[in-house]
Amino acid sequence: AQSVAQPEDQVNVAEGNPLTVKCTYSVSGNPYLFWYVQYPNRGLQFLLKYITGDNLVKGSYGFEAEFNKSQTSFHLKKPSALVSDSALYFCAVLSGNTPLVFGKGTRLSVIA
Amino acid sequence: ETGVTQTPRHLVMGMTNKKSLKCEQHLGHNAMYWYKQSAKKPLELMFVYNFKEQTENNSVPSRFSPECPNSSHLFLHLHTLQPEDSALYLCASSQDVSGGVSKNIQYFGAGTRLSVL
Repeated sequence: AQSVAQPEDQVNVAEGNPLTVKCTYSVSGNPYLFWYVQYPNRGLQFLLKYITGDNLVKGSYGFEAEFNKSQTSFHLKKPSALVSDSALYFCAVLSGNTPLVFGKGTRLSVIA
Repeated sequence: ETGVTQTPRHLVMGMTNKKSLKCEQHLGHNAMYWYKQSAKKPLELMFVYNFKEQTENNSVPSRFSPECPNSSHLFLHLHTLQPEDSALYLCASSQDVSGGVSKNIQYFGAGTRLSVL
């Protein structure tokens, strides 16, 4: 069965500093990986995905994620954090024809 | 706007009430999903419909009853709920469930915040 782990419940970063939100996965076949963001009182919003090709994937709002097959990781990154990036971030994995499996989420707080 | 609309946004109900949550998507998708989001818990997939047929029911109690009359509309009928059912209920849609990963990107509504007293 596929699964996703987000080891950090909370990440705090100062505005302007780089940020990383961690995600590791477990699947039996090829992984298809996603990041979603949830702002307060909103649903989840698609940020980016990895299907195949370049290990570094670029998405919305300046975010990117790096696929690392040997470490089974798909960490979300941004070179310079903004206060408006503060939100709940979800990593998700898809394998085969089953629906997405989500991690428990990581709350990012960017402090001015 | 994501193209997925959920109503109502907030709902307070007693344990003996019957109510329904509604989800409508304007994206031309064929798959629709219900999720439950509780504080400090992972997102829980409840039901999946693909081309109006239910394809997933993740051991959801019978007090939750989904209905998908067409590919654009999804309902969640609620009756005799418990206080622990209080949560944010999210609806999502995707182009297809089984059509490959590109068709499986899900678009979410803003959710219905449910409180059961």
